[in-house]
Amino acid sequence: DTGVSQDPRHKITKRGQNVTFRCDPISEHNRLYWYRQTLGQGPEFLTYFQNEAQLEKSRLLSDRFSAERPKGSFSTLEIQRTEQGDSAMYLCASSSGQGFYEQYFGPGTRLTVT
Amino acid sequence: KNQVEQSPQSLIILEGKNCTLQCNYTVSPFSNLRWYKQDTGRGPVSLTIMTFSENTKSNGRYTATLDADTKQSSLHITASQLSDSASYICVVSANNQGGKLIFGQGTELSVKP
Repeated sequence: DTGVSQDPRHKITKRGQNVTFRCDPISEHNRLYWYRQTLGQGPEFLTYFQNEAQLEKSRLLSDRFSAERPKGSFSTLEIQRTEQGDSAMYLCASSSGQGFYEQYFGPGTRLTVT
Repeated sequence: KNQVEQSPQSLIILEGKNCTLQCNYTVSPFSNLRWYKQDTGRGPVSLTIMTFSENTKSNGRYTATLDADTKQSSLHITASQLSDSASYICVVSANNQGGKLIFGQGTELSVKP
């Protein structure tokens, strides 16, 4: 068990470009969560999956954002036509879906939109 | 609206000293409260989880308290070390929310030698 991994760790892109982030959860964790964190703030919930089903999306997730978890394992978060306001740390977490749904976080992907 | 508020926003203490961080929440229906430690540029790591019926829980030099009546929690750090420098985030989970977490904005702790 190597923990939650995210790729890339850092991404610098120009405004208007599309970016895609990947999250690999702890194996056999059926729940996967995406959060966004801006400087000096706590993470904000974006969306979560149970297996391959996307069960909830925050209103923060505009039409430019899309997340998938096609086989119930890894997940991708795509941002289309990036804006400077999208600059943030994007965190992924996974849980087993049992008990307190203890969430284990990945190291995050730091996005900078120039 | 479900909210979690923390104080102070930042704190500087000397190595070896104790400190206490505060958290107030308005989350309903309440399921559990967690404290996370987040090092700069890293994901949060869980320190403690407490349910409605628990009013204290320890993890080494970290002791969390919970008063479910007043909806307040605290995290006490004993004999601080330089490695305690991090952001400490109070997080509350509501029942029937699929494990979705509501985060406070964090307290930035800096431990100086």
